[in-house]
Amino acid sequence: AQSVAQPEDQVNVAEGNPLTVKCTYSVSGNPYLFWYVQYPNRGLQFLLKYITGDNLVKGSYGFEAEFNKSQTSFHLKKPSALVSDSALYFCAVRDKQGFQKLVFGTGTRLLVSP
Amino acid sequence: GAVVSQHPSWVICKSGTSVKIECRSLDFQATTMFWYRQFPKQSLMLMATSNEGSKATYEQGVEKDKFLINHASLTLSTLTVTSAHPEDSSFYICSARGSGPSSYEQYFGPGTRLTVT
Repeated sequence: AQSVAQPEDQVNVAEGNPLTVKCTYSVSGNPYLFWYVQYPNRGLQFLLKYITGDNLVKGSYGFEAEFNKSQTSFHLKKPSALVSDSALYFCAVRDKQGFQKLVFGTGTRLLVSP
Repeated sequence: GAVVSQHPSWVICKSGTSVKIECRSLDFQATTMFWYRQFPKQSLMLMATSNEGSKATYEQGVEKDKFLINHASLTLSTLTVTSAHPEDSSFYICSARGSGPSSYEQYFGPGTRLTVT
């Protein structure tokens, strides 16, 4: 079964510093990987996806993620964090069976301090 | 990007009553819709998946008679929580996916906060 793991419940970073939110995956074959962000009492907003091609994927709001096949990782990054980036971030992999549902990680709360 | 709406955004109901939540894809045809439940500070738990015109497929442990899902058209799916109890209080999020080139992405609604008193 496809799965993703987010090893950190929370990441703290100062505004202006680079941020990384970690995600590792376990899939058979080539993965379809996604990052979503959730603000309080809101649904999920799509940030970026990796389907194929360039390992460095650029997404919304200045975020990017690097697909690393040897390390089975898909870490989310941003060169300079903003206080407004504080939110809950979910990594997800698309199941290849049936309805091809998204399988989510447990989420990582990002706190950016002023 | 594609827009998915949910209505209502929040609802309070008494124990034993039923409540219906609507999920609409506003600018695309959603061949597949997903319903999730999220507890505070937790990840999303998939409840069921539905294709337009077909019966929903429920995840293990989800009571299909309690959580009725109808996907009557390519733009509308509804979740009805029947005989609601306080333990059904949660944040419910729907998601929709189209077909063709847009089928890689799922678009999420803003969520519905259900409180059962």
